Amino acid sequence: EVQLVESGGGLVQPGRSMKLSCAASGFTFSNYGMAWVRQAPTKGLEWVATISYDGSSTYYRDSVKGRFTISRDNAKSTLYLQMNSLRSEDTATYYCTRDFGDGGYDYWGQGVMVTVSS
Amino acid sequence: DIVLTQSPVLAVSLGQRATISCRASQSVSISSINLMHWYQQKPGQQPKLLIYRASNLASGIPARFSGSGSGTDFTLTIDPVQADDIAAYYCQQSRESPNTFGAGTKLELK
Repeated sequence: EVQLVESGGGLVQPGRSMKLSCAASGFTFSNYGMAWVRQAPTKGLEWVATISYDGSSTYYRDSVKGRFTISRDNAKSTLYLQMNSLRSEDTATYYCTRDFGDGGYDYWGQGVMVTVSS
Repeated sequence: DIVLTQSPVLAVSLGQRATISCRASQSVSISSINLMHWYQQKPGQQPKLLIYRASNLASGIPARFSGSGSGTDFTLTIDPVQADDIAAYYCQQSRESPNTFGAGTKLELK
């Protein structure tokens, strides 16, 4: 059974940093691209970043470029999102997702809440 | 960015057909491949993939769900609607970066 379990969320002050992790199991992690998708409270879904299966390529939405870094450790089957210089507009539930190859997402974690507030 | 437009709310009766539309600001098709996907999200839960590449049923999804469309106009159909289908439905395109989602359609009971 495919499982994606996020951790690392919580309350953080504006301008500070936070790192999210996503532990994957039930599939060969190193064969798949992975992505983070977020959802602000009562809002819709927004793609944040994608990393290729081997970590050699990364892609970001404009609003997080230069502030967020997506990475992965295939030996540990773990995906990460390092978030720096956090802003109030980054407040959202962050979902770890598996990219099934066409840029769609066939498995989602349960999500982790990040609240940026003073 | 490609903008996907969905109606905010659709009210249906149990046992009837629900047709949820998604219109893209530009084509999301490459040759015969339609890079449009559909998700269901129930309150307090993560989204679930229903349909990929416009018309392919994801694993474990009941056959009452179907998808169609090409170019800029796509449709998710639920027939017949069951009580468990009351949720928000999102379309998503992967034709062009950044991948974008529609704002979602809330399916409500009439």
